[in-house]
Amino acid sequence: GNSVTQMEGPVTLSEEAFLTINCTYTATGYPSLFWYVQYPGEGLQLLLKATKADDKGSNKGFEATYRKETTSFHLEKGSVQVSDSAVYFCALSVPSNTGKLIFGQGTTLQVKP
Amino acid sequence: DTGVSQDPRHKITKRGQNVTFRCDPISEHNRLYWYRQTLGQGPEFLTYFQNEAQLEKSRLLSDRFSAERPKGSFSTLEIQRTEQGDSAMYLCASSGRADEARDRGYTFGSGTRLTVV
Repeated sequence: GNSVTQMEGPVTLSEEAFLTINCTYTATGYPSLFWYVQYPGEGLQLLLKATKADDKGSNKGFEATYRKETTSFHLEKGSVQVSDSAVYFCALSVPSNTGKLIFGQGTTLQVKP
Repeated sequence: DTGVSQDPRHKITKRGQNVTFRCDPISEHNRLYWYRQTLGQGPEFLTYFQNEAQLEKSRLLSDRFSAERPKGSFSTLEIQRTEQGDSAMYLCASSGRADEARDRGYTFGSGTRLTVV
């Protein structure tokens, strides 16, 4: 079946530290991959995406590369800020007509000044 | 366009009562999705509409749950005879065509948080 596994949280970092949040997936076919971010009290916002192998998605200093050989889509940022504190969800979209997303369990990031 | 709107933001109800939530998608989006998110978990797919047609329902959607999208605009999600296990955040999202959903993701609302006491 289709599934997404993220690293356990919470991840606690000091401001300007390097961030990696691991995400691996299992899917039939060739899914599109996404990172969504959820700030406290808000809905999910699309952070970045990649639609095929070796694509790199990037936004707001965050990056993730679609690695088909390792079935991974790890999220990275070179220098985190306090404002990056949120819950991050990795997700995949199966290649069907539905377009539904399969989410990981989320990773909470806490950035301390 | 103000994005995807959900109402109410919070709902507290007694076990056994019926509740109804509303979602107003982005006006030009013909696809609408409902997800459920429990504490510490990622959202789980519940159901999906293309225009007014409900095309897929998850096994999570028991007989107590019903969703509608009359006229292909707003959608409602009703839960009958609520149970404590129904306590969760109910998220609505919308998108354009299938390839847009697959390639761009979709726009989520802020959710309705249901607490069953």
